[in-house]
Amino acid sequence: GAVVSQHPSWVICKSGTSVKIECRSLDFQATTMFWYRQFPKQSLMLMATSNEGSKATYEQGVEKDKFLINHASLTLSTLTVTSAHPEDSSFYICSARRQGTEKLFFGSGTQLSVL
Amino acid sequence: GDSVTQMEGPVTLSEEACLTINCTYTATGYPSLFWYVQYPGEGLQLLLKATKADDKGSNKGFEATYRKETTSFHLEKGSVQVSDSAVYFCALSKNGNQFYFGTGTSLTVIP
Repeated sequence: GAVVSQHPSWVICKSGTSVKIECRSLDFQATTMFWYRQFPKQSLMLMATSNEGSKATYEQGVEKDKFLINHASLTLSTLTVTSAHPEDSSFYICSARRQGTEKLFFGSGTQLSVL
Repeated sequence: GDSVTQMEGPVTLSEEACLTINCTYTATGYPSLFWYVQYPGEGLQLLLKATKADDKGSNKGFEATYRKETTSFHLEKGSVQVSDSAVYFCALSKNGNQFYFGTGTSLTVIP
């Protein structure tokens, strides 16, 4: 079956540093990728939708300058948390839509801890 | 706005016990409803879905029926196995792009 590889699976960083999370579709092309965030005991929340070759669409309340999303190819999207702070500590998960279908495949998630 | 409320866990059951994980939703229009499962160390996978009222989704012995009158989509299985231990997420979507997820329910099945 289709696989989405997300990494790293966990990362600890110092406050003020930037962290990049990668999301790759390994055996299919993904025209659209989605980034979600989940705070403890809360729902998964959509942060942004990215389409290959165009700017990401951010949900209300998500700072686009803080959460930089790049979807430069049909198999790779990256989320960069810039100048991370402890309140950015969360579980981030991506999903990818297989080109030409409505099927979504999810990465395994990244647990970010900012000290 | 649209949202999903899901039974909080964790849930611990003995093998062969009956499982129900409650899920209710709030949405305008006619959403599709989903259950996703995340096994340890893996990504979310679609378990089952239903696209209209009274539809029943089923897979791997799990079932859920789209009940518009009660705005519910409860997940059920008659006899759980140790291999069913995972986190289960209820979700809705109206356009296939934006998904609204519940908080997830952790299930542990003990032999």
